[in-house]
Amino acid sequence: GAVVSQHPSWVICKSGTSVKIECRSLDFQATTMFWYRQFPKQSLMLMATSNEGSKATYEQGVEKDKFLINHASLTLSTLTVTSAHPEDSSFYICSARLREYEQYFGPGTRLTVT
Amino acid sequence: GQNIDQPTEMTATEGAIVQINCTYQTSGFNGLFWYQQHAGEAPTFLSYNVLDGLEEKGRFSSFLSRSKGYSYLLLKELQMKDSASYLCAVSDSNYQLIWGAGTKLIIKP
Repeated sequence: GAVVSQHPSWVICKSGTSVKIECRSLDFQATTMFWYRQFPKQSLMLMATSNEGSKATYEQGVEKDKFLINHASLTLSTLTVTSAHPEDSSFYICSARLREYEQYFGPGTRLTVT
Repeated sequence: GQNIDQPTEMTATEGAIVQINCTYQTSGFNGLFWYQQHAGEAPTFLSYNVLDGLEEKGRFSSFLSRSKGYSYLLLKELQMKDSASYLCAVSDSNYQLIWGAGTKLIIKP
């Protein structure tokens, strides 16, 4: 149990275009989901906390107008990278909270912006 | 501020034992997690400690001392597949995970 999926697993897009990444909790409901970014050889960096039915809470330094988060249901959160640039190329990972102390990660989405 | 420290890299021999340390300073404490992350993959859960002491799970054990702000992950009978990064994370007063930078573990034959 407690499986989280992400789609797509990898995507290549051209600079200036937008990309949407989906995060789904397959067998549980998650009122809270998290979006992380990870650059090569670095640790996870929390971008934002996504709460179902309300606005996401963004970490300092993360542009909310560039990284749009929508948590429309208890099993789905989406991250849209708008007007992507090469420096946005990274590994994006979502996680879903089952209970306060239990968080399950999706497999990640590798984004390459050319 | 909130801070989690762990060594950047460690090397160990197949079949041996290795201990990865983690020290933390956070606003509030609701448990400490260890995750394993292979290159190019998402982290996978290894252990959770919220009370002091040692938790054993097969070849992996995790220890916590809340008074010292200290934890370690102990890996026994090392296998080549254990080569990965090991991430220490603390759940703070808001149940938000604060992440360490990770320890890259290299296993040599």
